[in-house]
Amino acid sequence: ELKVEQNPLFLSMQEGKNYTIYCNYSTTSDRLYWYRQDPGKSLESLFVLLSNGAVKQEGRLMASLDTKARLSTLHITAAVHDLSATYFCAVDGETSGSRLTFGEGTQLTVNP
Amino acid sequence: DGGITQSPKYLFRKEGQNVTLSCEQNLNHDAMYWYRQDPGQGLRLIYYSQIVNDFQKGDIAEGYSVSREKKESFPLTVTSAQKNPTAFYLCASQRWVDGANVLTFGAGSRLTVL
Repeated sequence: ELKVEQNPLFLSMQEGKNYTIYCNYSTTSDRLYWYRQDPGKSLESLFVLLSNGAVKQEGRLMASLDTKARLSTLHITAAVHDLSATYFCAVDGETSGSRLTFGEGTQLTVNP
Repeated sequence: DGGITQSPKYLFRKEGQNVTLSCEQNLNHDAMYWYRQDPGQGLRLIYYSQIVNDFQKGDIAEGYSVSREKKESFPLTVTSAQKNPTAFYLCASQRWVDGANVLTFGAGSRLTVL
């Protein structure tokens, strides 16, 4: 069974600070996805990482993938309040085909 | 604009009643998915369909049923057999783009059992 674990699950940080969210997964996969969800809303795709060493950046968010360690990170630089949301990582493994398995999500709160 | 439309946005149900959540897409995607989200938790797969007239159970299919008679439509019925149906339900469609499995989500339907 494919498992995806995120940590931390809750993150409260001050504006201007940096932090990293971690996503570990249990099976071989070269494809990892990051989504954002605002309270009561749907999920919005942030990044798609397709190979070992892949790095994607948009604004204050940067995602990376290490397939050998089965680890992805989402780094937040100089956080601002607008980044407050829940962030999910998801993986589709070799045995699950097109089915995505999601982590529990990291609820990020950025305080002024 | 292309997208996924879920309805209703909010739904209240009495215990013992079946309810059907609608999901319609005009993206011409073959595959569609239903996920359930409980407060503070990730998404769990209920059912998915990769082609018309075919669908497969996900991880938590018990108490739910689906149909896929048209490419555009993938309704989910929450039956009275589902013991704890209060949750946020998300429908998604999927396409492959440059080797990536890209999901587009609807706005969700929030079901509350009274």
